[in-house]
Amino acid sequence: DAGITQSPRHKVTETGTPVTLRCHQTENHRYMYWYRQDPGHGLRLIHYSYGVKDTDKGEVSDGYSVSRSKTEDFLLTLESATSSQTSVYFCAISDPTLKGQENQPQHFGDGTRLSIL
Amino acid sequence: EDQVTQSPEALRLQEGESSSLNCSYTVSGLRGLFWYRQDPGKGPEFLFTLYSAGEEKEKERLKATLTKKESFLHITAPKPEDSATYLCAVRDLYGGATNKLIFGTGTLLAVQP
Repeated sequence: DAGITQSPRHKVTETGTPVTLRCHQTENHRYMYWYRQDPGHGLRLIHYSYGVKDTDKGEVSDGYSVSRSKTEDFLLTLESATSSQTSVYFCAISDPTLKGQENQPQHFGDGTRLSIL
Repeated sequence: EDQVTQSPEALRLQEGESSSLNCSYTVSGLRGLFWYRQDPGKGPEFLFTLYSAGEEKEKERLKATLTKKESFLHITAPKPEDSATYLCAVRDLYGGATNKLIFGTGTLLAVQP
């Protein structure tokens, strides 16, 4: 199994509070991704990173920010959580810069279930 | 716009009853089509990558096939442990260096003993 750890695994918080989710990898992969998974929508990309301090927006980035200060850690922050951000959040990794890995799959962590009341 | 549609949304089979799941896709150019399995409370687990029409991949009771418009995941003589949600995703040939995937909403498979 790919060495991807997400924390916390579950969190319940109130509207308006800041929330930070963490993704930690031990594979030394360059690319990291944050997705959210909601019924009827499948997995949707929030933000991704292609290196330390290099990040970009995905298709549902409003209300989210990210940071990557080390190769192994990718943080997702909800500055002021809203009920619409209740979801399951998944982190994924890949490294298309590795020789022979240009078109390899992404590998996923086991997710964080976030409930915003 | 890239799009992935999976059908059926849910499928219930008896143990040993073979069937197929469908993944229809629209992309500018297909760089790869990926199948994942997802168990409750877990992240997606990679199964197969298909790159070009006519390609087939097999793993135990699963066989994935690809045409220019769709992919099928054939399940032969399924067992209860095959119960899971199966996700399909595509990577666009013109998607740049981000390696982004576009996912379908999945098929929930339940295999009853």
